[in-house]
Amino acid sequence: GENVEQHPSTLSVQEGDSAVIKCTYSDSASNYFPWYKQELGKGPQLIIDIRSNVGEKKDQRIAVTLNKTAKHFSLHITETQPEDSAVYFCAALGGGFQKLVFGTGTRLLVSP
Amino acid sequence: NAGVTQTPKFQVLKTGQSMTLQCAQDMNHNSMYWYRQDPGMGLRLIYYSASEGTTDKGEVPNGYNVSRLNKREFSLRLESAAPSQTSVYFCASSEASGQGDYEQYFGPGTRLTVT
Repeated sequence: GENVEQHPSTLSVQEGDSAVIKCTYSDSASNYFPWYKQELGKGPQLIIDIRSNVGEKKDQRIAVTLNKTAKHFSLHITETQPEDSAVYFCAALGGGFQKLVFGTGTRLLVSP
Repeated sequence: NAGVTQTPKFQVLKTGQSMTLQCAQDMNHNSMYWYRQDPGMGLRLIYYSASEGTTDKGEVPNGYNVSRLNKREFSLRLESAAPSQTSVYFCASSEASGQGDYEQYFGPGTRLTVT
């Protein structure tokens, strides 16, 4: 089945810096790659996603890139703000019926 | 529109006790999911229901049972709780109509401690 690895597990940046989180997946048939943000005490919430027919997608300060050949995808956050502090999860759609396989999460801390 | 709701928010059980976690969604979604979240392990799928009347095992189903009561409700039952089931449990739902609408919407979670 699908396996998703995510790095780093923690990331500390200064406000205004960029942050990059990377994930790799194992199933070449996977075709959908979402990123979720989880704030303290809440459930994860989708912030951006990308499908396998697209190499890059951007939404204001966040962007996701996908390299199908290398089977990895990345989340880029520019001009980070303290409210970006949260745990971020990548995922890949694998294992048959629409089952998302999640990475282990990255705790992002943005210091003022 | 409340989205996905879960009850209870917190629960403490003794080893061997049973309980049912409740989940409901008001988005008329076809599919529903139960995950557990443990430190350093991300979200792991326990069970899912592709549509009303069907349920299937996920990655970590042992020790759990589920019921898709109707299109809105999907419950998770622990028959005999064990300390290894101490975790945060999330319910999620998605349209999953086969038209590429894969987004899953998560509830606020239930924090369960088994002593």
